[in-house]
Amino acid sequence: GAGVSQSPSNKVTEKGKDVELRCDPISGHTALYWYRQSLGQGLEFLIYFQGNSAPDKSGLPSDRFSAERTGGSVSTLTIQRTQQEDSAVYLCASSPRQGQGNTIYFGEGSWLTVV
Amino acid sequence: DAKTTQPPSMDCAEGRAANLPCNHSTISGNEYVYWYRQIHSQGPQYIIHGLKNNETNEMASLIITEDRKSSTLILPHATLRDTAVYYCIVRPLHGSGNTGKLIFGQGTTLQVKP
Repeated sequence: GAGVSQSPSNKVTEKGKDVELRCDPISGHTALYWYRQSLGQGLEFLIYFQGNSAPDKSGLPSDRFSAERTGGSVSTLTIQRTQQEDSAVYLCASSPRQGQGNTIYFGEGSWLTVV
Repeated sequence: DAKTTQPPSMDCAEGRAANLPCNHSTISGNEYVYWYRQIHSQGPQYIIHGLKNNETNEMASLIITEDRKSSTLILPHATLRDTAVYYCIVRPLHGSGNTGKLIFGQGTTLQVKP
């Protein structure tokens, strides 16, 4: 596709349920990032994938959060046993293979509401 | 932590140039200055980036001081649709022991007024 695609665009789930959020990066982009943004807050880095390298998981807030990237393309962010504080918009971004000043492009996000 | 300092808010009259400042006094030689904006919690939109030379594209101009410790984003003719939060970000070149991820600060809320 032309841009980073995320699904679902909106998700309402009950506290304690697991959720999966999907990201399709721009074709050919090897780097993929996940961020989240709580209401009225800034963007918080979660995790980064680059090719076959070990992901940078330094931003994941707890062990309830995990992500995988299959085939070097699509990524899934999984939140287990959701809590109300997990309510946020989850943003995925991608960029070409690292190089001089490669730009990171964002999707429109998946809005998660935990009730 | 974000390595940039921006004013929390600014106003600009429609049709005028909007000049958004950013301080990045601890920037390293291999770090780029990136600008993004975010409208109503949509995904951040890339605007422009630069290393040490001034840059211009169809959206904006980026002026970086000679010592690279500060920069200014210029929207030459602001419109109401330019109302957004503008983020100035210092990003290291990937490959030098880091992921090249963007660390967002609080940004500047630009309000363009009729």
